[in-house]
Amino acid sequence: AQKVTQAQTEISVVEKEDVTLDCVYETRDTTYYLFWYKQPPSGELVFLIRRNSFDEQNEISGRYSWNFQKSTSSFNFTITASQVVDSAVYFCALSEAGTGGFKTIFGAGTRLFVKA
Amino acid sequence: DSGVTQTPKHLITATGQRVTLRCSPRSGDLSVYWYQQSLDQGLQFLIQYYNGEERAKGNILERFSAQQFPDLHSELNLSSLELGDSALYFCASSVGDGVAGYTFGSGTRLTVV
Repeated sequence: AQKVTQAQTEISVVEKEDVTLDCVYETRDTTYYLFWYKQPPSGELVFLIRRNSFDEQNEISGRYSWNFQKSTSSFNFTITASQVVDSAVYFCALSEAGTGGFKTIFGAGTRLFVKA
Repeated sequence: DSGVTQTPKHLITATGQRVTLRCSPRSGDLSVYWYQQSLDQGLQFLIQYYNGEERAKGNILERFSAQQFPDLHSELNLSSLELGDSALYFCASSVGDGVAGYTFGSGTRLTVV
């Protein structure tokens, strides 16, 4: 069965600090997809990144980077030089094939507070 | 603006009542997904439709039902409402099966009093 664990409920950092959000997943499939979404205080969910199970290359996008390690079933997200605008709830998600199509489940989310 | 439109944005209703939440997917997207976000349960997958047909079902209560119409908009019907149904209901859409990621609407906040 699918499972996504975000053990960090809340993280508080001071602006310009680096912060890593952890995500551990469980799946029996060999083909699956991992995602990160951001939910700012305004409430909408914003797609950040997708990784498929065959691509373990790490990715960097500006101040954001993602580390995918199949050996530890982890897909961690690092924000470098955090800014106040990064304050949000971040969700890790896993999508795997099920009857009739892919089903995506979300972790419980990590609330990040970035203080000025 | 994500391109996914949800109405209404806010809804306050009494226990026992029935409400309908509406979602228009992003142009070109055939799949619609409904999620419920509550404080204690996080984001829970309810149901998915693809081009008018039910594709996958999650933890959707029997009191809840959904459909996707020929113009691809979707409606989520919630009946016999209970206090515990108070939550943020999100609709998301994707082109196909969602493996490229979802585009979410801004949600409907339902308060049952």
